[in-house]
Amino acid sequence: AQSVTQLGSHVSVSEGALVLLRCNYSSSVPPYLFWYVQYPNQGLQLLLKYTTGATLVKGINGFEAEFKKSETSFHLTKPSAHMSDAAEYFCALAPYGSARQLTFGSGTQLTVLP
Amino acid sequence: GAGVSQSPRYKVAKRGQDVALRCDPISGHVSLFWYQQALGQGPEFLTYFQNEAQLDKSGLPSDRFFAERPEGSVSTLKIQRTQQEDSAVYLCASSQTGDGSYNEQFFGPGTRLTVL
Repeated sequence: AQSVTQLGSHVSVSEGALVLLRCNYSSSVPPYLFWYVQYPNQGLQLLLKYTTGATLVKGINGFEAEFKKSETSFHLTKPSAHMSDAAEYFCALAPYGSARQLTFGSGTQLTVLP
Repeated sequence: GAGVSQSPRYKVAKRGQDVALRCDPISGHVSLFWYQQALGQGPEFLTYFQNEAQLDKSGLPSDRFFAERPEGSVSTLKIQRTQQEDSAVYLCASSQTGDGSYNEQFFGPGTRLTVL
């Protein structure tokens, strides 16, 4: 069985401040881990992914995430928030070696304050 | 096409009506997935196709839900005798290959179903 927990359904940051969105997972096998962003009335867009190799992964729009096996975490960060980052963010996982079905967290709504 | 498309984008149904939701995956993509996203929740897996074969339907919530992909491209998700709890956004995703290894899933914009 596998699950994803996103701590904080709503996060607010000021423009230019650090963005930190938390994700913890539970998986009986090594996971593939993903962060997706969803803008209103749009589909999910992949921000970044961890499959194998380097545990610090960089994605689009200046986001990055670090896979920490010992903490079963995959937190998403961005050094400086921009107004255009306001959206909903989903952490997801799939069993290692397969991406047949993704298990998603419940999402974190990011608000960027001017 | 350039991406995954879904139609209709919005659907309002009266309780008890049947609905059909369409997904056009990226051309040539072997794998196709359906997810259900309730308000305020993350997407939940419904079913998976590899070409025309439905390999996993473990997420379908009841026998009122039926999906097909008869020619291995366009897929239809059908919901019979809709209930209010079926109200959700239905997302379709496709990925390039079906060999079980990692392949990015590309998502469509979704169909928002409201059952009155």
